[in-house]
Amino acid sequence: EAGVAQSPRYKIIEKRQSVAFWCNPISGHATLYWYQQILGQGPKLLIQFQNNGVVDDSQLPKDRFSAERLKGVDSTLKIQPAKLEDSAVYLCASSPQVGGRRTDTQYFGPGTRLTVL
Amino acid sequence: DAKTTQPNSMESNEEEPVHLPCNHSTISGTDYIHWYRQLPSQGPEYVIHGLTSNVNNRMASLAIAEDRKSSTLILHRATLRDAAVYYCILSATGFQKLVFGTGTRLLVSP
Repeated sequence: EAGVAQSPRYKIIEKRQSVAFWCNPISGHATLYWYQQILGQGPKLLIQFQNNGVVDDSQLPKDRFSAERLKGVDSTLKIQPAKLEDSAVYLCASSPQVGGRRTDTQYFGPGTRLTVL
Repeated sequence: DAKTTQPNSMESNEEEPVHLPCNHSTISGTDYIHWYRQLPSQGPEYVIHGLTSNVNNRMASLAIAEDRKSSTLILHRATLRDAAVYYCILSATGFQKLVFGTGTRLLVSP
């Protein structure tokens, strides 16, 4: 079974530029998450999708961050404009449903390391 | 979200058992205890989870205290590949929300 795919793996941009990250979850997984992980900290949830609807985006800085999952499969996270403090690893994860019920186990991709100069 | 407390770091020798503790004194009755680990330069990886009873899988064992205010992740024979940051997380079942702390960094020596 293929895992969660993310691209690019690394990105370096100047502050005030825009950047986009792409995630393809495990096939059939209804729930998709984006996390931000700053060096030395645990991952922090930015947004959670159930199919193509947003379940939780309470910690997404909406003035500069946006995310979409239009067809309920892959997803894109965008930052516009980027700030120095956005330097972090951006992780995507997905969860399956079992017997029609959501499960708690999350499967993570390798992440995209963003450096903002 | 209920909080967990873990030591910042622990050390072990290869092929020895490792007991990683986690305190969660404010756990509620519906909170599951999850453990994930993150190897260097990788995303977190699910290890094990449980509610009240001890759990075993091919990766590890989870021992849960009778009052559920603490738990221990047990790696039966540490290998160099087990060097990682281990996160203990509480999650109300069905809500799928994981709130990560800073975890325990496990160092394994040959």
